[in-house]
Amino acid sequence: AQSVTQLDSHVSVSEGTPVLLRCNYSSSYSPSLFWYVQHPNKGLQLLLKYTSAATLVKGINGFEAEFKKSETSFHLTKPSAHMSDAAEYFCVVSWRYYGGSQGNLIFGKGTKLSVKP
Amino acid sequence: KAGVTQTPRYLIKTRGQQVTLSCSPISGHRSVSWYQQTPGQGLQFLFEYFSETQRNKGNFPGRFSGRQFSNSRSEMNVSTLELGDSALYLCASSYDRLRDRGHGYTFGSGTRLTVV
Repeated sequence: AQSVTQLDSHVSVSEGTPVLLRCNYSSSYSPSLFWYVQHPNKGLQLLLKYTSAATLVKGINGFEAEFKKSETSFHLTKPSAHMSDAAEYFCVVSWRYYGGSQGNLIFGKGTKLSVKP
Repeated sequence: KAGVTQTPRYLIKTRGQQVTLSCSPISGHRSVSWYQQTPGQGLQFLFEYFSETQRNKGNFPGRFSGRQFSNSRSEMNVSTLELGDSALYLCASSYDRLRDRGHGYTFGSGTRLTVV
């Protein structure tokens, strides 16, 4: 079965300090992996994606993530947090085959990022 | 190009009523998926449509139904509303899940449904 675990439900950082949001996945097949961000009362915006090309993936707003197959991880990082980064972040695995009752996208529970001035 | 459009953005209904939510995908996208988001359960898959056919269905009661039209626009309907149906309902579109694997899905801003 496919699953995604976001290891922290809440992360708090100070503005200007690095951000690390952790994600581990379980997949029997080579996965496609995504990070989405959701600001309050908004939809989900794609930050970046891994699709079996380069293992270090750069996304929007200075975020990047590294796919580590041996560790089944896809952690999201940013060198310097900005106040506007405060939001909820979701790690997602894409299931290329019919996902049944789980659907095509397997979502983590989300990590709420707070940024202190 | 225009994004995924969901209407209405906000909705307040009373228990027992029914509601219809609409989703217009990105032009050219043929796959539409629906998700329910609540603080307690997170994001839960409702159903997926492709070319007017339901391909997958999540574990929701039969009160939740949907359809897709020939122009790829999709609607979902919830009958006999319960308080627990209060949620943000998100729609996501992609060209075709199998061909589009890895390209990600584009989400709409959602419809916030409140049942009182």
